Amino acid sequence: DQQVKQNSPSLSVQEGRISILNCDYTNSMFDYFLWYKKYPAEGPTFLISISSIKDKNEDGRFTVFLNKSAKHLSLHIVPSQPGDSAVYFCAAQNSGGSNYKLTFGKGTLLTVNP
Amino acid sequence: ETGVTQSPTHLIKTRGQQVTLRCSSQSGHNTVSWYQQALGQGPQFIFQYYREEENGRGNFPPRFSGLQFPNYSSELNVNALELDDSALYLCASSLGGIESYEQYFGPGTRLTVT
Repeated sequence: DQQVKQNSPSLSVQEGRISILNCDYTNSMFDYFLWYKKYPAEGPTFLISISSIKDKNEDGRFTVFLNKSAKHLSLHIVPSQPGDSAVYFCAAQNSGGSNYKLTFGKGTLLTVNP
Repeated sequence: ETGVTQSPTHLIKTRGQQVTLRCSSQSGHNTVSWYQQALGQGPQFIFQYYREEENGRGNFPPRFSGLQFPNYSSELNVNALELDDSALYLCASSLGGIESYEQYFGPGTRLTVT
């Protein structure tokens, strides 16, 4: 039972354009959401997060939007750069749980073409 | 500030053998979580240690066990290795408590079971 879903295995965009990565979740207990970026042969790197009390969080070129009623979040990268090419994982957390485990989606491979 | 480190980088074992993977937390972090990432999948939560005590466990059999030491470094032990245990094993550290949401990952250990 996949509680966090990233339905697009891959996405290709041109340099300078906007990249939009999507994520859906099914568990209504999730109240904190994170995006991680992963390059080959490296561990995931924390990118940006959002609490369920917000609907938007922005950090430089990266913005995460949360639609709680639709159980959907998205990561916008603008403008996209070739160095952004990586696998992006959406992760969710239940901060009221007994531990702080992260539940991950399967990831989306973003390719930014020069 | 030292990041999360893991050893070894790569490991090849035979089915039925035992393996120990090691992780050093980021400076100041007292919580360690272990994840298994199979090919084409997102990381799956194995267990978490907080101040040397297990603080939650995912859907993994008892032959997956762990330890956390007073300096907050950690070990993951897997007994009776099976072919399906071949994966990237990721360690993540965080600061337990209110600010524990973001977990910072090491580069991982690639385990191959033949």
